[in-house]
Amino acid sequence: GNSVTQMEGPVTLSEEAFLTINCTYTATGYPSLFWYVQYPGEGLQLLLKATKADDKGSNKGFEATYRKETTSFHLEKGSVQVSDSAVYFCALSGGSQGNLIFGKGTKLSVKP
Amino acid sequence: EAGVAQSPRYKIIEKRQSVAFWCNPISGHATLYWYQQILGQGPKLLIQFQNNGVVDDSQLPKDRFSAERLKGVDSTLKIQPAKLEDSAVYLCASSLRVAFFGQGTRLTVV
Repeated sequence: GNSVTQMEGPVTLSEEAFLTINCTYTATGYPSLFWYVQYPGEGLQLLLKATKADDKGSNKGFEATYRKETTSFHLEKGSVQVSDSAVYFCALSGGSQGNLIFGKGTKLSVKP
Repeated sequence: EAGVAQSPRYKIIEKRQSVAFWCNPISGHATLYWYQQILGQGPKLLIQFQNNGVVDDSQLPKDRFSAERLKGVDSTLKIQPAKLEDSAVYLCASSLRVAFFGQGTRLTVV
């Protein structure tokens, strides 16, 4: 069945450091891929998405490219801020019903 | 645009008691989901509605969990009787093309 694997956390970085959170997936067909973010005490928010191979999703300085050949959708940001501290979830939407399947989440802490 | 509304935000109950959660989706969103998020894990789908019909409830523990979506708008999720392992955040989401989530209900079963 469909599944998502993302790197274990927590990840601790200094402000202005480069961020990569790895995400790989297993799916039949051609799923859409998403990154959601969960700030402390808040619900899940869509960060970015990509719906087909080689698409790049981007938002708030974050980027991720849908790589079909490596079944990956790694999240990157060139310079993180303290306000980026949150839990990041990679997810895919596929199958006949299109519901979301999530990875376990990666907690990011950014220190000033 | 109003988001997905959920209530209550927090609930503490004793095991074997019953509990209900309520969700009001974004207006016009035909698809509604309930997810369970156990601490340290990603959300797991419990049930998916399309309007007021169930399209996927394969992971819903039907011996104790039930859900309904009357008139294709609001939805309630019920647990009866609750077990300790039901302690989690219950997330409601609605979708037209992309899923938007509510803030969730944190359930603690003691």
